[in-house]
Amino acid sequence: AQKITQTQPGMFVQEKEAVTLDCTYDTSDQSYGLFWYKQPSSGEMIFLIYQGSYDEQNATEGRYSLNFQKARKSANLVISASQLGDSAMYFCAMRGRGATNKLIFGTGTLLAVQP
Amino acid sequence: EAQVTQNPRYLITVTGKKLTVTCSQNMNHEYMSWYRQDPGLGLRQIYYSMNVEVTDKGDVPEGYKVSRKEKRNFPLILESPSPNQTSLYFCASSTHGQATNEKLLFGSGTQLSVL
Repeated sequence: AQKITQTQPGMFVQEKEAVTLDCTYDTSDQSYGLFWYKQPSSGEMIFLIYQGSYDEQNATEGRYSLNFQKARKSANLVISASQLGDSAMYFCAMRGRGATNKLIFGTGTLLAVQP
Repeated sequence: EAQVTQNPRYLITVTGKKLTVTCSQNMNHEYMSWYRQDPGLGLRQIYYSMNVEVTDKGDVPEGYKVSRKEKRNFPLILESPSPNQTSLYFCASSTHGQATNEKLLFGSGTQLSVL
């Protein structure tokens, strides 16, 4: 069975500092995709970044990067130069192939950026 | 603008009173899905649809119905709501639902309270 684990229920970070949000996953699929979504207090789900299991380079999107360590089955999100607007819930998710047909989510990490 | 539209945004109802949450997408996506979000549990899939007239159960389908008569619409029906269905609901869509790199585009969510 596929599973996503986010062990940090909540985190604080000072504005302008970098922060790493942890995500580990479990799957028997060889081909899979890893995603991060942001959910601000307004409630919508915003796609941030994607990493494919066969991608050799870590994905980057602006201030977001994904620290992908395949052997350790981890896909941590790194946010550089945190801003107050980064305060939100962050979800790690995974999609496998074939009959899975769904994005499996972790329980989320609530990030608070302090001025 | 590409979007998934859910209505209503907020809904308060009483136990046993049938309700429908509508979902519509304008991207000609084949794949649509419903999730519910509960504190500490992340997002869990309720139902999904690979195409018109093709629907299947997700992880938590009990107490819910869906239909996919048209490609753009995927309503969620609660025939006899109960308090344990109080939750934040999301509709989402993606192109085909078969590739590991397909990100889901989410609607803005429906906060349902069943009294």
